Amino acid sequence: DSGVTQTPKHLITATGQRVTLRCSPRSGDLSVYWYQQSLDQGLQFLIQYYNGEERAKGNILERFSAQQFPDLHSELNLSSLELGDSALYFCASSVEFQVPIYFGEGSWLTVV
Amino acid sequence: GIQVEQSPPDLILQEGANSTLRCNFSDSVNNLQWFHQNPWGQLINLFYIPSGTKQNGRLSATTVATERYSLLYISSSQTTDSGVYFCAVARNSGNTPLVFGKGTRLSVIA
Repeated sequence: DSGVTQTPKHLITATGQRVTLRCSPRSGDLSVYWYQQSLDQGLQFLIQYYNGEERAKGNILERFSAQQFPDLHSELNLSSLELGDSALYFCASSVEFQVPIYFGEGSWLTVV
Repeated sequence: GIQVEQSPPDLILQEGANSTLRCNFSDSVNNLQWFHQNPWGQLINLFYIPSGTKQNGRLSATTVATERYSLLYISSSQTTDSGVYFCAVARNSGNTPLVFGKGTRLSVIA
């Protein structure tokens, strides 16, 4: 158990819908990262927050947004979902920058 | 951005065999991690090893930062070692996220 908690573990939804994925980082970790793993793209970095502020942005679509709340949990919002958004979404956390990061178990999203 | 190449892409081993997985990266790094993704999708931390050598049971890893590569050794492999092994690195400047290689898919057969 990495200490990073993600909910829900599985989600099936229809095209055009909106979903929210939630992440609770390890106790004491200030940095939260979101990654997407799809069959054809591998593990892609989406976005990073540090103590509530956005710190780095990767290949995140405009239809996706995220935030980190004062209690340090984070949410990833995916809207106008398309079939190609089906993937395993990981949250990870670390104490600060450039130290080991630990991944949650992921949220499996299936868009039908 | 930084490039990460892992080899081999696929590996099939008989139980009890040893193996070496390689990770090459294109720039200097201050973070390198090895992960094992099990068949249920979980990403498990194996090593944080931006340089030097570490061992944990049947697994060990070595990173030669000056030559931009890292090796993961698996000895006396077991069927539970099956899955995908990922190398991920972060560049040696500022706050940059981990970039993952495409992984090595390992299948250990009894």
